[in-house]
Amino acid sequence: AQKITQTQPGMFVQEKEAVTLDCTYDTSDQSYGLFWYKQPSSGEMIFLIYQGSYDEQNATEGRYSLNFQKARKSANLVISASQLGDSAMYFCGGGFKTIFGAGTRLFVKA
Amino acid sequence: DAMVIQNPRYQVTQFGKPVTLSCSQTLNHNVMYWYQQKSSQAPKLLFHYYDKDFNNEADTPDNFQSRRPNTSFCFLDIRSPGLGDAAMYLCATSGDRGGVGEQFFGPGTRLTVL
Repeated sequence: AQKITQTQPGMFVQEKEAVTLDCTYDTSDQSYGLFWYKQPSSGEMIFLIYQGSYDEQNATEGRYSLNFQKARKSANLVISASQLGDSAMYFCGGGFKTIFGAGTRLFVKA
Repeated sequence: DAMVIQNPRYQVTQFGKPVTLSCSQTLNHNVMYWYQQKSSQAPKLLFHYYDKDFNNEADTPDNFQSRRPNTSFCFLDIRSPGLGDAAMYLCATSGDRGGVGEQFFGPGTRLTVL
C-alpha cells in the first residue's frame, strides 16, 4: 500500500522569501515517481515538479525544487522567492494511481 | 492548445437524476483517470482505464460508472446522484503505467446536486 503524508495544513510566507512544504511517503515499490501539484481557487491541478525514485539529482523547475531524501522517504517542495500568485493549495502525490496527501494551503503575504 | 478537456465545467443536477461528465484528451495517452474532490480535501481516485482495461477502486460506490469508447474520450456516469456526490470531478491522463510519469489534469467539472 502507498501513503502520502503532508503534515502542514497551512503555511504562511512573506513575499520574496523561500518556503518549504513537507511531504513524506511510504511505498513498497522499487521504482516510483513523486509529484507536486498546485491547485488555485479555480480548481485545476497544475503540475509543478516530478522526482523519479532513481534520479540522482534533486528535481528543479524554475523557482520550484524538490528536496528528495530517499532514506527518509521525504520529498519536500521548496519554493524560492515566493510571489503573491503562489497562494494556493499544494498537493504531494505519488505512485501510478497518484495517491495524494491531504494538501497544504500556502498563503503569501505582501 | 488544450490537452485535457472536461465538459461541462459546471453541472447542476437534481437528486436522483442521472448525469454524465465528459473528458477528452489530445495527448493520445493510454491511461485516463477520474478523481472526485470534495471541498478542502485531496482528490480521491474513483477508477482508471489503461487502454480499454477498466480498474475500479475498491471503495468507489456502484453509483459511479465509466465508459471509454476510444482513446480520446472517457465518461463518468453518476446513475442516481445524492447530495453527497456534490464535488469537483477531475479527469487526468498519463502516458506511463509504471507510476513514474506525470499526470495531466483537466480543469474539472464542478457538480452541484439540488
